[in-house]
Amino acid sequence: SQTIHQWPATLVQPVGSPLSLECTVEGTSNPNLYWYRQAAGRGLQLLFYSVGIGQISSEVPQNLSASRPQDRQFILSSKKLLLSDSGFYLCAWRDNTEAFFGQGTRLTVV
Amino acid sequence: ELKVEQNPLFLSMQEGKNYTIYCNYSTTSDRLYWYRQDPGKSLESLFVLLSNGAVKQEGRLMASLDTKARLSTLHITAAVHDLSATYFCAVYLSGTYKYIFGTGTRLKVLA
Repeated sequence: SQTIHQWPATLVQPVGSPLSLECTVEGTSNPNLYWYRQAAGRGLQLLFYSVGIGQISSEVPQNLSASRPQDRQFILSSKKLLLSDSGFYLCAWRDNTEAFFGQGTRLTVV
Repeated sequence: ELKVEQNPLFLSMQEGKNYTIYCNYSTTSDRLYWYRQDPGKSLESLFVLLSNGAVKQEGRLMASLDTKARLSTLHITAAVHDLSATYFCAVYLSGTYKYIFGTGTRLKVLA
């Protein structure tokens, strides 16, 4: 069966520091992959999605970037974090019919 | 730009009561999803609705889809405390690979 791993679960980073969040999927090949962000008490905002290795689509201009160096690996990065980058980051993968989410990373920028 | 709106945003209800959450979306789509999120947790898939008129039920929850009206409903029957959570609908934009989420409905069931 397919599983999705996301880490770390919790992260506290100072303003201006770099960020790297990793997401990997097992048990499937060539999945569509997604990064979402959820601000406290809010809905989910689509940040990036990828339909293949090296193929990244960005939804909103922001302080973040994404990369897909391997088929089942999706990385969210920032060179310099802002306070407004705080939130709950969720990675997801899609099969033929629906999206499945990782456990999320709660990022607090201080 | 696709907009997905849910109402109500907040819902406080007594155990044993019935209620409906509505999800309206602004463009054509034949795939709609409902997710549940508990505080501090990720999203759990509840229902996948893939065609006009689709109806699915699981326990006290029933979801339906009317693609012509661009409306989905999540009906709660005889609510129990364990249903307290935030519920999201999401629309899949065919040909774009995107899932766009609604604003969420925070449900609190009072004992």
